Amino acid sequence: DAGVTQSPTHLIKTRGQQVTLRCSPKSGHDTVSWYQQALGQGPQFIFQYYEEEERQRGNFPDRFSGHQFPNYSSELNVNALLLGDSALYLCASSSGTALAGEFFGPGTRLTVL
Amino acid sequence: QQPVQSPQAVILREGEDAVINCSSSKALYSVHWYRQKHGEAPVFLMILLKGGEQKGHEKISASFNEKKQQSSLYLTASQLSYSGTYFCGTEGGAGNTPLVFGKGTRLSVIA
Repeated sequence: DAGVTQSPTHLIKTRGQQVTLRCSPKSGHDTVSWYQQALGQGPQFIFQYYEEEERQRGNFPDRFSGHQFPNYSSELNVNALLLGDSALYLCASSSGTALAGEFFGPGTRLTVL
Repeated sequence: QQPVQSPQAVILREGEDAVINCSSSKALYSVHWYRQKHGEAPVFLMILLKGGEQKGHEKISASFNEKKQQSSLYLTASQLSYSGTYFCGTEGGAGNTPLVFGKGTRLSVIA
């Protein structure tokens, strides 16, 4: 079992550019959540996808958007990048059983210059 | 509302015990505990549900006081492998809401 995979591992962009991050959930999981983790902070919830629909959304601007595909993989898109978007972006997958918690991927480190 | 974790950091010698606290100003449905080692993804430890029992496995256990909206993580006879940052994530209301994570507690276990 490959677990949760994310790509790319690192990314450097300049202000104003757009970025797409990708995530493949753990086998058997149908729900994908995205988190932003700033240095020295806990993960902050961006949104969650289930059955190709955005089910929940955190306090992030519309510049952050996502998508889930029929195979449950997901993308996170960020438009008009700001310096403050520099962070580790974590993808987490889960099944319908909340008791099993979420499985996190290794993350994508985004640096905005 | 972000839960408050305490202490912010702790240093232990192998074999010592530690308690990490997580408190919220809002009513909680569940508390999730994760450990993140430097440069790695957070790893799920356990979940405590409202009305549920104290959970634990091996030397790591946790409790959930619903009335005080607090949870505590207990690490006994710590090992070097316990080093990392521990996060609590809280879920409010009737559940099925996004997790809100605390800022974390950095635990260092030294020989």
